[in-house]
Amino acid sequence: EAGVTQFPSHSVIEKGQTVTLRCDPISGHDNLYWYRRVMGKEIKFLLHFVKESKQDESGMPNNRFLAERTGGTYSTLKVQPAELEDSGVYFCASSPISLRGRTGTGELFFGEGSRLTVL
Amino acid sequence: AQSVTQPDIHITVSEGASLELRCNYSYGATPYLFWYVQSPGQGLQLLLKYFSGDTLVQGIKGFEAEFKRSQSSFNLRKPSVHWSDAAEYFCAVVVNRDDKIIFGKGTRLHILP
Repeated sequence: EAGVTQFPSHSVIEKGQTVTLRCDPISGHDNLYWYRRVMGKEIKFLLHFVKESKQDESGMPNNRFLAERTGGTYSTLKVQPAELEDSGVYFCASSPISLRGRTGTGELFFGEGSRLTVL
Repeated sequence: AQSVTQPDIHITVSEGASLELRCNYSYGATPYLFWYVQSPGQGLQLLLKYFSGDTLVQGIKGFEAEFKRSQSSFNLRKPSVHWSDAAEYFCAVVVNRDDKIIFGKGTRLHILP
């Protein structure tokens, strides 16, 4: 069974440009999460989809970030326009059921991440 | 403020030595607790998790962790490390009312031959 896949693995762009990161979750996983790690800092939550709906987008830094999950399958995270502070590794994770409550498996399956470098 | 603290940014141990990585959390209720590992060039992999019950949890790759409510800790241990254990380790929590994982800053483990 394929794991969570992310594309591209590494992207180098100039400040002001646009980048779109893609995540393909494990088939059948309704829950999809985006996280980001800026160098030297902790891995921070960005947002959570349940199928195609945004369940929680409290971690999105600002309106330059747009996440979509049309059809409830793969997701994209667009940064437009990119700024220097957006550099970091963007992780996607999926889960078959909710983490909340005692029925949750409590496990997120992570992709290898997309490293974004903004020059 | 609610947080997950990993006080050690880097730890170096010799191959074959024992290992303990520290993790403390500050939440009102007992959260769900996890340890993830990220090896070079790989994604995050779950080592073990604690929801309830036995406070000593066994995980993959010979790791275990012990939940201590009185100390708000969930330290990760391994009796004898291998060179392949060199990686970055993340403690994480899910607070019951939330549906996302909160990570600590990570501890990078270096292994001496």
